[in-house]
Amino acid sequence: KNQVEQSPQSLIILEGKNCTLQCNYTVSPFSNLRWYKQDTGRGPVSLTIMTFSENTKSNGRYTATLDADTKQSSLHITASQLSDSASYICVVGPYSSASKIIFGSGTRLSIRP
Amino acid sequence: GAVVSQHPSRVICKSGTSVKIECRSLDFQATTMFWYRQFPKQSLMLMATSNEGSKATYEQGVEKDKFLINHASLTLSTLTVTSAHPEDSSFYICSLRSNTEAFFGQGTRLTVV
Repeated sequence: KNQVEQSPQSLIILEGKNCTLQCNYTVSPFSNLRWYKQDTGRGPVSLTIMTFSENTKSNGRYTATLDADTKQSSLHITASQLSDSASYICVVGPYSSASKIIFGSGTRLSIRP
Repeated sequence: GAVVSQHPSRVICKSGTSVKIECRSLDFQATTMFWYRQFPKQSLMLMATSNEGSKATYEQGVEKDKFLINHASLTLSTLTVTSAHPEDSSFYICSLRSNTEAFFGQGTRLTVV
């Protein structure tokens, strides 16, 4: 069964601290994995996309890693800011115009001042 | 990149009335669009796949007569929630995809009173 599991379910950290979110998947065939940030009451916005051959990709303070052998990905946030408070969703699947993609349940991150 | 515009961002309606949500692709022609529903603290759940010029494909458990989808052009798909009930209150998000990327609308918060 195609599944995407994220951990932790929720996380609270102090402003300025780093954190790492985890994503494990069993989706096959695998094409790419994407991390999205979803602010409350808004649609998801793409942070990074990683293909099978990529191990690490950075986007500012966000760094995603991918281990295609163990089917694990992580999203590391450095020097967190209050605006990082959001849900972070891991999405996996073969991307074409009509194929289904699998969503993780997300990690709700709260940054405290 | 593609921009998806979704309207309205929030709507409150009375039980028994119908509500229409619009999803527009501003930057490219989308033969396929996707409609999702999201409950609080949960991930996105695919409701239906909207196909330009033909009938939508609904996921199991989604009532096609209640959630009417029209995809009359390559840039516009609409979701109409008919005879709305309080249990239809949710966050609805549309999406479209290129070959490598998924784009999401801003979402519509529907509250049925």
